[in-house]
Amino acid sequence: AAGVIQSPRHLIKEKRETATLKCYPIPRHDTVYWYQQGPGQDPQFLISFYEKMQSDKGSIPDRFSAQQFSDYHSELNMSSLELGDSALYFCASSFWTEQETQYFGPGTRLLVL
Amino acid sequence: AQTVTQSQPEMSVQEAETVTLSCTYDTSENNYYLFWYKQPPSRQMILVIRQEAYKQQNATENRFSVNFQKAAKSFSLKISDSQLGDTAMYFCAFGGESSGSRLTFGEGTQLTVNP
Repeated sequence: AAGVIQSPRHLIKEKRETATLKCYPIPRHDTVYWYQQGPGQDPQFLISFYEKMQSDKGSIPDRFSAQQFSDYHSELNMSSLELGDSALYFCASSFWTEQETQYFGPGTRLLVL
Repeated sequence: AQTVTQSQPEMSVQEAETVTLSCTYDTSENNYYLFWYKQPPSRQMILVIRQEAYKQQNATENRFSVNFQKAAKSFSLKISDSQLGDTAMYFCAFGGESSGSRLTFGEGTQLTVNP
């Protein structure tokens, strides 16, 4: 079965640089969620989208922005990167009508040097 | 705001034995969903099992089952016939009823299955 696709899988950036993470949900899933997992921590919710509209917002820094496109894929844009942004970034997707069950992608490992 | 607590940072079990992981949560909502996710060394987040709060029957998925006690706000995971591949970090998660609802995770329990 098709799963959530995230790209790139690994990313190394310097401080103050910009990064863009992409997420392609499971086919026919219309809701996308972004989570950040720091080393040794549980995933923390950042933001979610349904039908290209933001549906919920968590602890996402102002330096980050995200959007969902007409084909339901989503991008997380991160600017002025800081060392503390080094983490595993997960995208998850679900059906709106079954929004409670989220399926996670493999994650993007971001390292900020 | 919801909180999820896993009081067992680490647990170990012998292969083929049974182990139970604990989770408690706090919420003012009446309808919600609870999940257990598994995160092996690859760090992929894998859905293990889910429970709807409005269902009294405990969910079961093969060797995995839950003990859901709504009044006590408790949601434990039982793994029967443990296998080496069950070694992973296990996260308990809460999802509210509202659409687009975020998941709130517990701190995780690192389970090691020993041969």
